[in-house]
Amino acid sequence: NAGVMQNPRHLVRRRGQEARLRCSPMKGHSHVYWYRQLPEEGLKFMVYLQKENIIDESGMPKERFSAEFPKEGPSILRIQQVVRGDSAAYFCASSVGGLYQETQYFGPGTRLLVL
Amino acid sequence: QKEVEQNSGPLSVPEGAIASLNCTYSDRGSQSFFWYRQYSGKSPELIMSIYSNGDKEDGRFTAQLNKASQYVSLLIRDSQPSDSATYLCAVRETGFQKLVFGTGTRLLVSP
Repeated sequence: NAGVMQNPRHLVRRRGQEARLRCSPMKGHSHVYWYRQLPEEGLKFMVYLQKENIIDESGMPKERFSAEFPKEGPSILRIQQVVRGDSAAYFCASSVGGLYQETQYFGPGTRLLVL
Repeated sequence: QKEVEQNSGPLSVPEGAIASLNCTYSDRGSQSFFWYRQYSGKSPELIMSIYSNGDKEDGRFTAQLNKASQYVSLLIRDSQPSDSATYLCAVRETGFQKLVFGTGTRLLVSP
């Protein structure tokens, strides 16, 4: 009964490189959410996806960030040309559906460090 | 921008005492409220969800919701040192699926 899985758990990148973060939702869940937690700050919503669809990307920075959730495989959060300010913990959450009472369950997170 | 406010703490209580954590929110139409616990370096873990005015109890935890006052709280009875963590209040915005989080209240339970 695996929970939400994320990999890698830790990722180190130099400025200008690309970072790819992966998230596999809980079994039976088809809704994925990405949140970012900067050091000493709260969680901030980034994007909400269903299979092959981006439903809400209101929290995504306008440049360098993109997300997908293909028909097969995990959801991917991609950060191009990383900068030091991208260093943060990136959490993925999943839910069964999109009803307002649906609980979002969080994965262990990916800690991104940009040197 | 909808907001969720929490006192950052730390809130210090002795073992066995009741810890009271509070949260206010700005979106009057919000219908779903969640408390998550986050240990240092770990991911958020759901403690309680509440959708209706009043109290909801689960073991040592009681969530309280007052929509008129836009206020939600979490009571932890018989606090244990293992309860020491940051407690995050989250509100689902009206018409959206995303959660808006407060910055969290750090709870310290001393033996």
